[in-house]
Amino acid sequence: GAGVSQSPSNKVTEKGKDVELRCDPISGHTALYWYRQSLGQGLEFLIYFQGNSAPDKSGLPSDRFSAERTGGSVSTLTIQRTQQEDSAVYLCASSFTGAQPQHFGDGTRLSIL
Amino acid sequence: EDQVTQSPEALRLQEGESSSLNCSYTVSGLRGLFWYRQDPGKGPEFLFTLYSAGEEKEKERLKATLTKKESFLHITAPKPEDSATYLCAAPFGGGGSNYKLTFGKGTLLTVNP
Repeated sequence: GAGVSQSPSNKVTEKGKDVELRCDPISGHTALYWYRQSLGQGLEFLIYFQGNSAPDKSGLPSDRFSAERTGGSVSTLTIQRTQQEDSAVYLCASSFTGAQPQHFGDGTRLSIL
Repeated sequence: EDQVTQSPEALRLQEGESSSLNCSYTVSGLRGLFWYRQDPGKGPEFLFTLYSAGEEKEKERLKATLTKKESFLHITAPKPEDSATYLCAAPFGGGGSNYKLTFGKGTLLTVNP
């Protein structure tokens, strides 16, 4: 079956611009996660959605970052007023529930000029 | 502080030369230890979950084991297609949450023909 789908696969933008990254999880998965992978760093948890519950936003690095999940399916991660330190690969994952193994998409490589 | 540390950072093997990768963790109240494989430009691919000391899981040439302080990923008679970065992760955070994964920085495995 189809895996987690992320778009765009690559995004280059200028400092100060806003960007939106999209994630389409595996059908039937109720849990959705966003992570960030920077060069030389491990994956860093950003945010978690589970069904209709309030999301766990504890990993978002600043108030420039926000995410939403519409209809319990597709999610969008938005970064406002991008900074060069935001350059990274943004990975989305989904799982049947929060206790199950997470399955990742191939990420969006974000480059801030 | 919850931490996951992997060693070595990089490992180069000849085809058929067996070895082990290490993942040590200092996560209080371990609620699962996850192994992933990541190929360049791709998202992590789930391999195994281990929950209790003494548990072992196998998949083809890979076997994962767990003790109270560390996990090993044993690679038996590796092939060039086993070349990848291997990541381990454990859930962190209090309140019984088991979804916020903290990842190690990975071991880059190269298997030469």
